[in-house]
Amino acid sequence: DAGVTQSPTHLIKTRGQQVTLRCSPKSGHDTVSWYQQALGQGPQFIFQYYEEEERQRGNFPDRFSGHQFPNYSSELNVNALLLGDSALYLCASSPEYPANLYGYTFGSGTRLTVV
Amino acid sequence: AQTVTQSQPEMSVQEAETVTLSCTYDTSESNYYLFWYKQPPSRQMILVIRQEAYKQQNATENRFSVNFQKAAKSFSLKISDSQLGDTAMYFCAFMKRGLANTGKLIFGQGTTLQVKP
Repeated sequence: DAGVTQSPTHLIKTRGQQVTLRCSPKSGHDTVSWYQQALGQGPQFIFQYYEEEERQRGNFPDRFSGHQFPNYSSELNVNALLLGDSALYLCASSPEYPANLYGYTFGSGTRLTVV
Repeated sequence: AQTVTQSQPEMSVQEAETVTLSCTYDTSESNYYLFWYKQPPSRQMILVIRQEAYKQQNATENRFSVNFQKAAKSFSLKISDSQLGDTAMYFCAFMKRGLANTGKLIFGQGTTLQVKP
């Protein structure tokens, strides 16, 4: 049973460019959340998708947007990249219920470097 | 707003010994969940143990146990018989409990644990 799959694993972009990160949730999971983890820090919640809609959003600017497809996979898009966007981006999936009981399953992340 | 604080940036322990990682949190919620996650160099966040706030009994998972003090808003992790494979960054996390799964995880800053042979 595949867990959460993220692609690509590493990415280097130039300031001002746009980037798309992808996530395939664990089989049986329909909710996808994205987190940004700066080096040496704890992850910060970006947003969560369920039934192809953004259900909750953290304190991130509109440059960060996402999408969820009918097969529950998800994309994270970041426009007008800044040097400060360099981080590990983690995708986490869960069933609609009972995610609260078991927590989330995380992928291994995409390491984004903005130069 | 909820906050999670881990005051120990780095810790080390000898193999087979016991170590305790500290975590405090601040919330006005009465129903919530607390988690400890482990992040090894592979970067994948792995759930170690979870605690439901309405349960007074401390959770245990094999060598891992927690000391949950709700009134003090403290949630420490004890690792017994430490193994080299326990070397990782450990994160304490909070999730508000709700009728639907709208919960987001709020993480602490992490504690890097090194197990020495």
